[in-house]
Order: sequence, then C-alpha cells, then structure tokens
Amino acid sequence: AQSVTQPDIHITVSEGASLELRCNYSYGATPYLFWYVQSPGQGLQLLLKYFSGDTLVQGIKGFEAEFKRSQSSFNLRKPSVHWSDAAEYFCAVGAPGGYNKLIFGAGTRLAVHP
Amino acid sequence: GAVVSQHPSWVICKSGTSVKIECRSLDFQATTMFWYRQFPKQSLMLMATSNEGSKATYEQGVEKDKFLINHASLTLSTLTVTSAHPEDSSFYICSGGGSSYNEQFFGPGTRLTVL
Repeated sequence: AQSVTQPDIHITVSEGASLELRCNYSYGATPYLFWYVQSPGQGLQLLLKYFSGDTLVQGIKGFEAEFKRSQSSFNLRKPSVHWSDAAEYFCAVGAPGGYNKLIFGAGTRLAVHP
Repeated sequence: GAVVSQHPSWVICKSGTSVKIECRSLDFQATTMFWYRQFPKQSLMLMATSNEGSKATYEQGVEKDKFLINHASLTLSTLTVTSAHPEDSSFYICSGGGSSYNEQFFGPGTRLTVL
C-alpha cells in the first residue's frame, strides 16, 4: 500500500537559515510526488511536483525538491527561509494515471524565528 | 492557478442536524472533485472521490449514508453531513481535478463544529 512518512512533526529555523523537510514514500513503482503548503485560512498550495525526468525539481517561492529513488525520498529544500514561510508542509504521493487520489504525509509544521 | 472556493468557511450546528458544504471551482471545470477531512494537527484523509454526474466513490471506513456527496455540475460539488454528531467536528477540505494528471486545486476548507 502507498504511504508517506514525514519524520519531523515540528521544525524551527532562524530566518535566513537553510531548510530541509524530509519525506519518504512507499510505493511499488515511481509515483507522482508533491509538496503542498497550508497556511491558516488558506487552501493547500502546490509548491512543486515530480512526475518524471530531472530528479531535481524547482518550485515556487524558492523551494526545490530532489527525488532519490534509491532512498525513496523526496525532500524539500530552501536555501534561505523567510518569516512568511512559516506554515504546515505536506508531502503527498499519487499513483500515475490521472486524477488518482493523493496520499498525504502527516505534515511538518515550520516555525521561523526572526 | 485555478481557484476553488468553499462555503461556508465555518459552521456550528446542533447534534442531530444536517449541514451542507459547497465546493466550487471558480475558473475551471472540475470533472473530478475530492473531499478530505483533517483533524487538528493531523494530515488530510481522503473521504471520497466524486465525478460529475455519477455516484461518489467512498474510501474504506467512510459512511456514505452519513456523508452525502453530490457532484451535479462541473463546477459544484456538495458534501452533506447528515445527523451530525460531535465526533463529526472537523475541518473539511475539497479539491478539484485540473487538466494535468493528478493535479488538484484545493479549497480553503470548512470548519464544522457540532455541539
């Protein structure tokens, strides 16, 4: 069965520091992989997605993620965090084939210290 | 990006009453819409998938008679929580399927509190 693990429930970083949020997945083949951000009062916003091809994916707001098949990981990174990045981040996996359901990880809450 | 709205954004109701939540795709046609439930500080759990003009497909453990889903048009899906009880209190989120494989656009969510 598909599953997504986000090992870190809470992460606190200082503004300007680098960030890496971990995501590991379990799936029989190469899934579609997503990172979403959820801010209070707002819907989930897609940061980036990986379907195939280049394993380093660039997203919005300066985020990037790297797909590593050997480690079943899709970690999210940002070189310099801004206070506005404080939010909940969800990694999700979907089965290829169109409009298939997404399985979400438990989420990582990011706090940013000034 | 595509916009999905939900109404109401929050609702408080008495136990035993029914509550309807609307999900609209404002600038695109959503052939498929998804309904999720999110408990505090937890992840999103898919409740059901609805396709326009057909019956919804419910995930295991979700009571289809309690959570009625109607997807009557390409821009509107509704979730009705029937005979709501306090344990149904949660954050309900919908999403609409876009033109790309697996791309979903999420609504802002509806917080339901059942007293």
